[in-house]
Amino acid sequence: NAGVTQTPKFQVLKTGQSMTLQCAQDMNHEYMSWYRQDPGMGLRLIHYSVGAGITDQGEVPNGYNVSRSTTEDFPLRLLSAAPSQTSVYFCASSYSSLGRYNQPQHFGDGTRLSIL
Amino acid sequence: AQTVTQSQPEMSVQEAETVTLSCTYDTSESDYYLFWYKQPPSRQMILVIRQEAYKQQNATENRFSVNFQKAAKSFSLKISDSQLGDAAMYFCAYRNSYNSNSGYALNFGKGTSLLVTP
Repeated sequence: NAGVTQTPKFQVLKTGQSMTLQCAQDMNHEYMSWYRQDPGMGLRLIHYSVGAGITDQGEVPNGYNVSRSTTEDFPLRLLSAAPSQTSVYFCASSYSSLGRYNQPQHFGDGTRLSIL
Repeated sequence: AQTVTQSQPEMSVQEAETVTLSCTYDTSESDYYLFWYKQPPSRQMILVIRQEAYKQQNATENRFSVNFQKAAKSFSLKISDSQLGDAAMYFCAYRNSYNSNSGYALNFGKGTSLLVTP
């Protein structure tokens, strides 16, 4: 099992550019989410999805878009990159069905994104 | 929203000794889950231990154990017989039960950096 796969691992962008961070999981998890990690801030939730076709905002959604067309994939889009979006981004997934909601989230290895 | 507080930005322990990392949280829910994650320099997020709020017994995983005090909203992590490989950032995290409005998101503390000295 590959688990949660994030691509790319590193990326440098210029202000105003757009890009998509990819996230895929092969565990048939219903719940997927994106976090950003900044020094001294822990991980903060950007967007999440409880199933294909369903997404919602987390704590820090501004500047990011998501979609969930399949159970496996949950891409994160930066429409117009800003230096404030320089961060490490983590994708995570877990079961969310009744009887399995106590299962931990599985994390990808993260994407380090720098906006110049 | 639930908040998670880790009051120790950095901790240090000697190899083979025991260290306790503190975590408190704020919630009005009665059913929830608590986790400790380890993040080594490789940046991976590794689950260390988890606790269901409805269980009175403290969780243990080999050298790792928790002291869960529900009334005090405290969830500390004890690492026994510390090893050099335990050096990492440790995050405490809270998760609501399935029937809450905020979904299954994890609320993280800001982390405690653990240094293990030989």
